[in-house]
Amino acid sequence: GNSVTQMEGPVTLSEEAFLTINCTYTATGYPSLFWYVQYPGEGLQLLLKATKADDKGSNKGFEATYRKETTSFHLEKGSVQVSDSAVYFCALSDPYNQGGKLIFGQGTELSVKP
Amino acid sequence: EAGVTQFPSHSVIEKGQTVTLRCDPISGHDNLYWYRRVMGKEIKFLLHFVKESKQDESGMPNNRFLAERTGGTYSTLKVQPAELEDSGVYFCASSQDSDRRRSGANVLTFGAGSRLTVL
Repeated sequence: GNSVTQMEGPVTLSEEAFLTINCTYTATGYPSLFWYVQYPGEGLQLLLKATKADDKGSNKGFEATYRKETTSFHLEKGSVQVSDSAVYFCALSDPYNQGGKLIFGQGTELSVKP
Repeated sequence: EAGVTQFPSHSVIEKGQTVTLRCDPISGHDNLYWYRRVMGKEIKFLLHFVKESKQDESGMPNNRFLAERTGGTYSTLKVQPAELEDSGVYFCASSQDSDRRRSGANVLTFGAGSRLTVL
């Protein structure tokens, strides 16, 4: 079945460090891919998305490229800030389910130290 | 525009008791979803309403869970009787089909979640 695998956390970085959170997926067909973020005490927020192969989603300095050949959607940011501390979830939408059900990875907790 | 609101934010109950979680979606959103995250694991789909109808309830763990969406507005998720393994964070999300047609993807807006602790 469809699934999403993320690198395990927690990830601890110093401010201004480069961030990569790996995400790979298994799906039949051509899913849409998403990164959601949950800041402390808040709900899940959409960070970025990509709907087809080679698309690059970007927002708030974060980027992720939909790589069909490697079935990956790795999240990157060139210089993290303390305010980026949160839990990040990679997800895909089931291409054969018009209900738009999302399938999530297990989440990666990021902690950025000053 | 108001977002998705969930109540209560945290509930602590004893095993065997009943708890009802409530979700108010964004006004006008026909799609309403329930998800659950158990301690550090992935967020798992529970069910999907389109207006007042259950479109997909394949993720509901067992018959101790009952979801309703009377009138196609807010939704409730009742757990009766609660067991220890039901502890976790329950997320509600909503979306609108017209947004999906415009953006090419079904973008869900999530609430802050209801944390359930069963002792």
